[in-house]
Amino acid sequence: AQSVSQHNHHVILSEAASLELGCNYSYGGTVNLFWYVQYPGQHLQLLLKYFSGDPLVKGIKGFEAEFIKSKFSFNLRKPSVQWSDTAEYFCAVNVPNTNAGKSTFGDGTTLTVKP
Amino acid sequence: KAGVTQTPRYLIKTRGQQVTLSCSPISGHRSVSWYQQTPGQGLQFLFEYFSETQRNKGNFPGRFSGRQFSNSRSEMNVSTLELGDSALYLCASSTDRPADTQYFGPGTRLTVL
Repeated sequence: AQSVSQHNHHVILSEAASLELGCNYSYGGTVNLFWYVQYPGQHLQLLLKYFSGDPLVKGIKGFEAEFIKSKFSFNLRKPSVQWSDTAEYFCAVNVPNTNAGKSTFGDGTTLTVKP
Repeated sequence: KAGVTQTPRYLIKTRGQQVTLSCSPISGHRSVSWYQQTPGQGLQFLFEYFSETQRNKGNFPGRFSGRQFSNSRSEMNVSTLELGDSALYLCASSTDRPADTQYFGPGTRLTVL
């Protein structure tokens, strides 16, 4: 079974600071990787995803993530955060084909951006 | 396209009762998954249905069950409710291509008193 570890439980940044949220997974085979965001009072939304190809993926709102297979990592980055990025961020992994409907999530990282 | 819809959005029940939650997937999506979200345990996978069959199952007791109808709509049922079942229950749908994204609904907030 796969597992996902998010290193930071709570991150506090000032506006314009750079962001990097760590995500590591454990699974020896091929995986799909995701970052989701949950704004206060809203439902989970997809930020970006990696299935195959270029390990650097770009998502919405200026977010990007890099898949490093040798490190089993999929870290999320944003060069300059805004107050509106305050939210909870979840890293998730699933196994392609018949297990693609079963995602394993990390515990989440709460990001607070101070204006 | 309309997103994933879940009804009801809020429920209050007492211990020992049972509850049924409903999920309508995005049109054309045949896979429906359910997750439980709590502050202590985070997001945990309950089960997935595809073509009216349970395809994957998480580590939850048998009190948690589900089904899927021919139009892909899904329901989950929790019997003999316990205080610990209080949570946000999320439904997600996808097309079932090998590499596809799950799209989440707003969830049903269940409170067990």
